[in-house]
Amino acid sequence: GAGVSQSPSNKVTEKGKDVELRCDPISGHTALYWYRQSLGQGLEFLIYFQGNSAPDKSGLPSDRFSAERTGGSVSTLTIQRTQQEDSAVYLCASSLVRAREETQYFGPGTRLLVL
Amino acid sequence: EDKVVQSPLSLVVHEGDTVTLNCSYEVTNFRSLLWYKQEKKAPTFLFMLTSSGIEKKSGRLSSILDKKELFSILNITATQTGDSAVYLCAVSASSASKIIFGSGTRLSIRP
Repeated sequence: GAGVSQSPSNKVTEKGKDVELRCDPISGHTALYWYRQSLGQGLEFLIYFQGNSAPDKSGLPSDRFSAERTGGSVSTLTIQRTQQEDSAVYLCASSLVRAREETQYFGPGTRLLVL
Repeated sequence: EDKVVQSPLSLVVHEGDTVTLNCSYEVTNFRSLLWYKQEKKAPTFLFMLTSSGIEKKSGRLSSILDKKELFSILNITATQTGDSAVYLCAVSASSASKIIFGSGTRLSIRP
């Protein structure tokens, strides 16, 4: 596609439910990033994929968060047993080749509200 | 601990003014510094800086990096109301597979 796409654009869920957020990076981009942005806050790094592997998962807030990437393309971020503090905009970004090109292109984000 | 600090946190100026936004950083094995503009949900890329002293320009925006003093500035001349946004600075390091973002500067341009 022309840019990074994310779905759903908005998600309202009840506390304790699981949610799955999807990111489709720009075709050919090998690096993919997940960030979280709470209301009025800066971007919080969550996880980075190079290809299908995530070298560093330490940015994930808790063990309720997991992410995977398949086929070097689509990535899903799963939040289990959601809590109200998980409410935020979840942004995905992709870049071409991380070693030489740092420019990240962001998707429109998924706004998650946990009631 | 790696960190990126932006200042000021917010800034209100009149249309036509020139503004300078600051970004200082402390990071192990610095590789690049990036500036983004965020108006609604998704940040849009402005500049990537890797070398000291080389100014990058795009229209009324310009940016420069000082790797000795560990900071960068983003200048906007002849500001317009469309420049109102949060400007984010981020730093990447070769030793870690993560990008560290500052908290942003909220710029408001009054007509």
